[in-house]
Amino acid sequence: GDSVTQMEGPVTLSEEAFLTINCTYTATGYPSLFWYVQYPGEGLQLLLKATKADDKGSNKGFEATYRKETTSFHLEKGSVQVSDSAVYFCALSENTDKLIFGTGTRLQVFP
Amino acid sequence: DTAVSQTPKYLVTQMGNDKSIKCEQNLGHDTMYWYKQDSKKFLKIMFSYNNKELIINETVPNRFSPKSPDKAHLNLHINSLELGDSAVYFCASSQAQGYTIYFGEGSWLTVV
Repeated sequence: GDSVTQMEGPVTLSEEAFLTINCTYTATGYPSLFWYVQYPGEGLQLLLKATKADDKGSNKGFEATYRKETTSFHLEKGSVQVSDSAVYFCALSENTDKLIFGTGTRLQVFP
Repeated sequence: DTAVSQTPKYLVTQMGNDKSIKCEQNLGHDTMYWYKQDSKKFLKIMFSYNNKELIINETVPNRFSPKSPDKAHLNLHINSLELGDSAVYFCASSQAQGYTIYFGEGSWLTVV
């Protein structure tokens, strides 16, 4: 079945460092891909999405490109802030009625 | 205004009790969901409803019974609560199948 694999955390960075969180997927068709973020004590927020190959989703300085050839959707940010500390979830949806999530990656940014 | 709202946000209850979590969305969406996040942060779908009709039931125990009085509401009732039911329960909605899913802020359930 479909699945999402994320790099294990926590990822610990200093402020202004470059961030990459890896995400790869397995799907039978052509899924839409998402990154959701969960700040401490809060709910899930959609961060960005891409619906077809080579699409780039972006929001709040974060970017991810849908790479069909490598079945990847890695999340990047050029300069992280302390306020970016959160758990990041990669997810896919194959036009079915549900999202399939990765296990989440905790990001900790220190001043 | 909150798009997907769920109550209560925090709930502590004893084993064996029955409890409900309410969810409402004001986005005009046709599809609503319940997701469960366990202690390891793993998220998995429990149910989905489209226009008040059950679409997905992911082998959730019968103690969990969703109810959708109208397409803007999807409540989750849990009977005979067990310690393992402690989790964060997220309500969500989407315009239709295949569209982006938007989540509520979660309900933190602790069974003691």
